[in-house]
Amino acid sequence: DSGVTQTPKHLITATGQRVTLRCSPRSGDLSVYWYQQSLDQGLQFLIQYYNGEERAKGNILERFSAQQFPDLHSELNLSSLELGDSALYFCASSVGTVNYNEQFFGPGTRLTVL
Amino acid sequence: AQSVTQLGSHVSVSEGALVLLRCNYSSSVPPYLFWYVQYPNQGLQLLLKYTSAATLVKGINGFEAEFKKSETSFHLTKPSAHMSDAAEYFCAVTSNSGYSTLTFGKGTMLLVSP
Repeated sequence: DSGVTQTPKHLITATGQRVTLRCSPRSGDLSVYWYQQSLDQGLQFLIQYYNGEERAKGNILERFSAQQFPDLHSELNLSSLELGDSALYFCASSVGTVNYNEQFFGPGTRLTVL
Repeated sequence: AQSVTQLGSHVSVSEGALVLLRCNYSSSVPPYLFWYVQYPNQGLQLLLKYTSAATLVKGINGFEAEFKKSETSFHLTKPSAHMSDAAEYFCAVTSNSGYSTLTFGKGTMLLVSP
């Protein structure tokens, strides 16, 4: 158990819909990262927050957005869903933003868009 | 941009045999390098990381990796494979520009036969 929790575990929805994925980082970790894992794209970094502020942005679509709340949990919002958005979405957390810090990964949310 | 290449999407070994999973990085400046393992239906777990302190890095579960600057490689090895090592292994790199986001290779599935 990494200490990072993600809900829900599975999500099945239809094209055009909007969903919210939630992540609670390990106690004491200020950085939260979101990654997408799909068969064709592999593991890709989406976005990072540090203590409530956006820190880095990767290959995140404009239809996707995220935020980190004062209690440090984070939400990833996916809207106007397409079939290609079906993937495993991981949240990870680390103590800070130093680039050799270990990132601890949650169990992921599997999103299926029908 | 930083990148890593993992040679071989699948590697098969017999139980007790040497495990060698290959990873090459592209960077003009030695980056920070990581190996993560993903067991079925689970998140990623850090096996080991290179942070320039030592070129031979020992990790969990008997794995180790050697950083070779001349070959731009960071191959993962284990002297004797166990059935429980069957999983997908990811090599990853963080930017040396200060950002801590991970760039992953495509992954190598390790299959262990009795």
